[in-house]
Amino acid sequence: KAGVTQTPRYLIKTRGQQVTLSCSPISGHRSVSWYQQTPGQGLQFLFEYFSETQRNKGNFPGRFSGRQFSNSRSEMNVSTLELGDSALYLCASTGTGLSYEQYFGPGTRLTVT
Amino acid sequence: KNEVEQSPQNLTAQEGEFITINCSYSVGISALHWLQQHPGGGIVSLFMLSSGKKKHGRLIATINIQEKHSSLHITASHPRDSAVYICAVREAGGTSYGKLTFGQGTILTVHP
Repeated sequence: KAGVTQTPRYLIKTRGQQVTLSCSPISGHRSVSWYQQTPGQGLQFLFEYFSETQRNKGNFPGRFSGRQFSNSRSEMNVSTLELGDSALYLCASTGTGLSYEQYFGPGTRLTVT
Repeated sequence: KNEVEQSPQNLTAQEGEFITINCSYSVGISALHWLQQHPGGGIVSLFMLSSGKKKHGRLIATINIQEKHSSLHITASHPRDSAVYICAVREAGGTSYGKLTFGQGTILTVHP
């Protein structure tokens, strides 16, 4: 099976712009989670989608949003970018059955200037 | 106080040494993950535990639910084990499998 893919891998944006990141989970996985990793805060949970529904959301402002499509692919959007949004954004898909293992994508490195 | 605490934060070892990284957490959990991240690289899930002990090659992970504590051991360490090791917990209850709370990570450097 192909792994979790994320596009783009690298992105440079300017303050005030918006950005959309994409994540394709492992085939058959219906749950996709998003995380932000920064040197100061480490890894933090953004949100989780399951069957096109947001199941949980972390403590991030409303500028951070996401969605999931019927094929389980997910996008996250950050509007009105701030310098502090510069981070590695990771998505992970969750296995089914008794496993519930998390499979991480390679991440999208976002730099806001 | 963070919900998930790892120790040590930095660890330097010589090749061949036995390594232990500890993780303590303060909430009830349904699962604990040990993750590995190489510099500039993505994250790989090493173990997911809800009780007992798991072994994969030179890696061993244990968890004590009563004491809210887990350890990751690396036997016969090798320079390629140099990475950041991250403990993450999934809180008990609910149906969210992806809502993880992470430790701050342990930076491991193994010298030849």
